[in-house]
Amino acid sequence: DGGITQSPKYLFRKEGQNVTLSCEQNLNHDAMYWYRQDPGQGLRLIYYSQIVNDFQKGDIAEGYSVSREKKESFPLTVTSAQKNPTAFYLCASSTHTGREQPQHFGDGTRLSIL
Amino acid sequence: AQSVSQHNHHVILSEAASLELGCNYSYGGTVNLFWYVQYPGQHLQLLLKYFSGDPLVKGIKGFEAEFIKSKFSFNLRKPSVQWSDTAEYFCAVISGAGSYQLTFGKGTKLSVIP
Repeated sequence: DGGITQSPKYLFRKEGQNVTLSCEQNLNHDAMYWYRQDPGQGLRLIYYSQIVNDFQKGDIAEGYSVSREKKESFPLTVTSAQKNPTAFYLCASSTHTGREQPQHFGDGTRLSIL
Repeated sequence: AQSVSQHNHHVILSEAASLELGCNYSYGGTVNLFWYVQYPGQHLQLLLKYFSGDPLVKGIKGFEAEFIKSKFSFNLRKPSVQWSDTAEYFCAVISGAGSYQLTFGKGTKLSVIP
């Protein structure tokens, strides 16, 4: 079955450490996205990528970094500069960034900083 | 910047009751509108979408939404809810010429009591 795989489902890290969240898709989608979901806050866009080797900042990119070396992969690194990293992180993809293309979402990674 | 308001944080209904969840957006130009649903323990999935044409949009599982341009609204409705509709519902908007970025509301949690 085609879909988006995020791993791990739960992640614990010590304060001050960088941590990388994995996102892989086998939908052959060009565009990929990272969102952060906080209780009562909805989803906020962190980064997006339209094609390989290209990505753009979203609304809350500070303290995060991404790479897009392969079409199917879009890992997110939460750096020590992110002041409040504990959250639920969602990865999404769409066939391209056209307005009419719905985004497909992964199951998410819940990150907790100890 | 676009903003999306969902009026109710938590709605509790008995089975067979009718449902209407409010969604208002701020941008007055061309918009594409979506409702996503997140069932407990599952990933976010598309419920329905509006791009153009008939302002009454039908989605999966008996849901529908009406786009009222003059009111900047895209309310979600279902005539008779079931326990299985218990989930969190997110309204999302793409707005502005050339934009593809989804702006999400904060979500409405629906609890259906058997």
